[in-house]
Amino acid sequence: QQQVRQSSQSLTVWEGETAILNCSYENSAFDYFPWYQQFPGEGPALLIAIRSVSDKKEDGRFTIFFNKREKNLSLHIKDSQPGDSATYFCAASGPGGYKVVFGSGTRLLVSP
Amino acid sequence: EAAVTQSPRSKVAVTGGKVTLSCHQTNNHDYMYWYRQDTGHGLRLIHYSYVADSTEKGDIPDGYKASRPSQENFSLILELASLSQTAVYFCASRPTGGEVGQDTQYFGPGTRLLVL
Repeated sequence: QQQVRQSSQSLTVWEGETAILNCSYENSAFDYFPWYQQFPGEGPALLIAIRSVSDKKEDGRFTIFFNKREKNLSLHIKDSQPGDSATYFCAASGPGGYKVVFGSGTRLLVSP
Repeated sequence: EAAVTQSPRSKVAVTGGKVTLSCHQTNNHDYMYWYRQDTGHGLRLIHYSYVADSTEKGDIPDGYKASRPSQENFSLILELASLSQTAVYFCASRPTGGEVGQDTQYFGPGTRLLVL
């Protein structure tokens, strides 16, 4: 049973486009949704996160749109750069946040 | 600067052998985690710990043991390694507390394990 689902295993966009990565979840108790970015040969690192009381979180070129009713969220990467090429994990945790459930990841390739 | 280190960075083991993966953090974090990463499965939680000398089972604990001898160190032990345990293993740490910014897990660089 996959509690956090990422709809695309891979995504390719051109430099300058907006990349949209989608994620959905099953557990209504989840209240914290981080996105982690992973480059080849490295561990994941937190990119941006949102709590379920908000519907949007923005940090520079990165924006999370959150729909609690539909149990889905998306990560928008505006003006994509080749350096954004990485694997992006959607994740979720419940109150306390000590156990995090990760999606299977979306590998993003930004072509120059 | 928060830091999580793992050793070894890569290892080749034989089926049925014992493997120990080590993790060290200088973050002064209470929580530590072990995940495995397989293509198509993302990160799956094996064991975690919130205090020294105590460990908890994660979502896929079968075939693995964990040891937390101190706040800084957390080991993953494969008593009888199997082919299916070939994967990349990540350790992470996280502070206690639910304040904003304290939910972040800090990951190590990973250990690539190949079981033959």
